[in-house]
Amino acid sequence: GQQVMQIPQYQHVQEGEDFTTYCNSSTTLSNIQWYKQRPGGHPVFLIQLVKSGEVKKQKRLTFQFGEAKKNSSLHITATQTTDVGTYFCAAPSGGSYIPTFGRGTSLIVHP
Amino acid sequence: NAGVTQTPKFRILKIGQSMTLQCAQDMNHNYMYWYRQDPGMGLKLIYYSVGAGITDKGEVPNGYNVSRSTTEDFPLRLELAAPSQTSVYFCASSYYGGPDTQYFGPGTRLTVL
Repeated sequence: GQQVMQIPQYQHVQEGEDFTTYCNSSTTLSNIQWYKQRPGGHPVFLIQLVKSGEVKKQKRLTFQFGEAKKNSSLHITATQTTDVGTYFCAAPSGGSYIPTFGRGTSLIVHP
Repeated sequence: NAGVTQTPKFRILKIGQSMTLQCAQDMNHNYMYWYRQDPGMGLKLIYYSVGAGITDKGEVPNGYNVSRSTTEDFPLRLELAAPSQTSVYFCASSYYGGPDTQYFGPGTRLTVL
């Protein structure tokens, strides 16, 4: 069935550098959600995108939904050690309305 | 609100044993979900429920069973535990299905030896 492919799997950055993770789908998505999971913790909802070309910001985090609604990105400006964790995208899969999670991108921030 | 609670936090099982992972939510959510998370593999949906008395299979249901007798509780039953079921299990809930925030519990770390 339809899956969301998330890249990269890991990203090491120096504190203060920017970070971007991408989610891609072969089919049009009705919506996409982003979650963050701190090491040893549980996923926490960040945001949901629904409209084509939508851009939403949360402080240093910028979320985009592609014009064709087949891809999405999460960009963090000037990373901090508090940004460490795994970022997941989730979107409905193969006709089901239940979101399927991507494999996640683990962000490691070096002070 | 306690949100979504899960018990136990940790458990070690021997091959062939059975156990029930407990999940409860106090947000009056209709939808509840069980996921397993293996390292580097994201979250895989095991079962979900759209309301009391209604459950459905997710992506990886084999070896598990669920029931939903009340809105609040959604236990996950492991029968005849196998090493392949070693994982971290998360329960989640949402008011609506689909485009709605899922709230996750703290997880249960299960090891089968």
